[in-house]
Formats: sequence, C-alpha cells, structure tokens
Amino acid sequence: AQKITQTQPGMFVQEKEAVTLDCTYDTSDQSYGLFWYKQPSSGEMIFLIYQGSYDEQNATEGRYSLNFQKARKSANLVISASQLGDSAMYFCATRETSGSRLTFGEGTQLTVNP
Amino acid sequence: NAGVTQTPKFQVLKTGQSMTLQCAQDMNHNSMYWYRQDPGMGLRLIYYSASEGTTDKGEVPNGYNVSRLNKREFSLRLESAAPSQTSVYFCASSVTTSGTGIHYEQYFGPGTRLTVT
Repeated sequence: AQKITQTQPGMFVQEKEAVTLDCTYDTSDQSYGLFWYKQPSSGEMIFLIYQGSYDEQNATEGRYSLNFQKARKSANLVISASQLGDSAMYFCATRETSGSRLTFGEGTQLTVNP
Repeated sequence: NAGVTQTPKFQVLKTGQSMTLQCAQDMNHNSMYWYRQDPGMGLRLIYYSASEGTTDKGEVPNGYNVSRLNKREFSLRLESAAPSQTSVYFCASSVTTSGTGIHYEQYFGPGTRLTVT
C-alpha cells in the first residue's frame, strides 16, 4: 500500500521568497508517479507538477520545481518568488503503475504574507 | 471545454435519505474517479472507473454505489445517507490509468459539499 506523509500542517512565507513544502512517500513499486496539487480557498483542485520515478531530472513548471530524492523517498515542492495568490492548501499524491488510484497526503496550508 | 462538471454544488440531506451526485467530463477521458475530502485527511478514493463499462472499489466504498453511464458520465449514489458521509465530494477524470498512462494527471470537478443531518 502507498502512503504519503506531509509533515507540515501549516507554512508561512514572505512574498517574493522561496518556500519548500515537504513530502515523503512509501511505496513498494519500482515505477510510480508523484503529483502536486493546489487547492485554493475556493475549493478546486489544480494540478501543478509531475515527477516520474525514472525521471533523471527534477521536474520544473514555471515557479514550481520538485526536489526529488529517490533514495530518501522524498518529493518536496519548491515554490520560488512566492506570490499572495500562492496562499492555498497543497497536496502531494502518488500513483503506482500497478493501480490507477492517486493516494493523497493530508496537505500543507501555505500562507504568503505581504 | 467545460472540463469536469458536478451537480449539485451543495446538498443537505436527512439521515436515511438517498441521492445521486452527477459528474460529467467533456475531455474524452477513459478513466473517472470519485473522492471524498474530510478536514485533515486529504482526499480518499471512493470508487473509480478505469474505462467505460468497468467500476472498482477504492479506499472507502462502504455506503456508496456508482454507475458509469457512458464515457462522459460517472454518478455516485448514497442509498441511505449517514452523518459520517458529510464531506466534500470530488469527481475527477484522466486520459487513462496505470501502466504507461501513469503520468497523466487527474482533472477535478469543482466539488459537491454534502451535509447529512
């Protein structure tokens, strides 16, 4: 069974600074994918970034990058140059090739201060 | 494209009542999913449909049934609502599932906020 752990219930960052949101995972599969989603206060789930377990380079999408350390089973999200609109709940999730479901962590509430 | 749509947006039920949550997607996706989100617990998979004509249980299927009506529509039914089913329900879809489709992200609907009294 897969398990995702997000150890930071809440994080605070100053506008324009970078922030790292932690995510560790536990899976027995050799091939798997890691996803990050953003949920603003309006409630919708927005896909941010994907990392495959066999990808040699860390994924990047604009201001989002993924610090993927396979041996440590961690997939931390780095947001550079934080903006007020980044204030939201952030979820890490994993999917194994043997199954179709996404397994989500409990989320980290990020607050960006002006 | 509307993406993934869900109806209703809000619903209040009394214990024992039944209702169906509707979900439709216009992205020609093969796979569809139902999740529930409770405070402090992230999203948990209730049921999913890997392709038209198939459905499978997820992590928390008890008290729910689903129907994959066609490729576009996937409904979730509560036969006898209980207060423990008070939650926000999300429908999602993706191009495909498992195997080589692992990298395909899931697209989520706006959610249905359900309260059972």
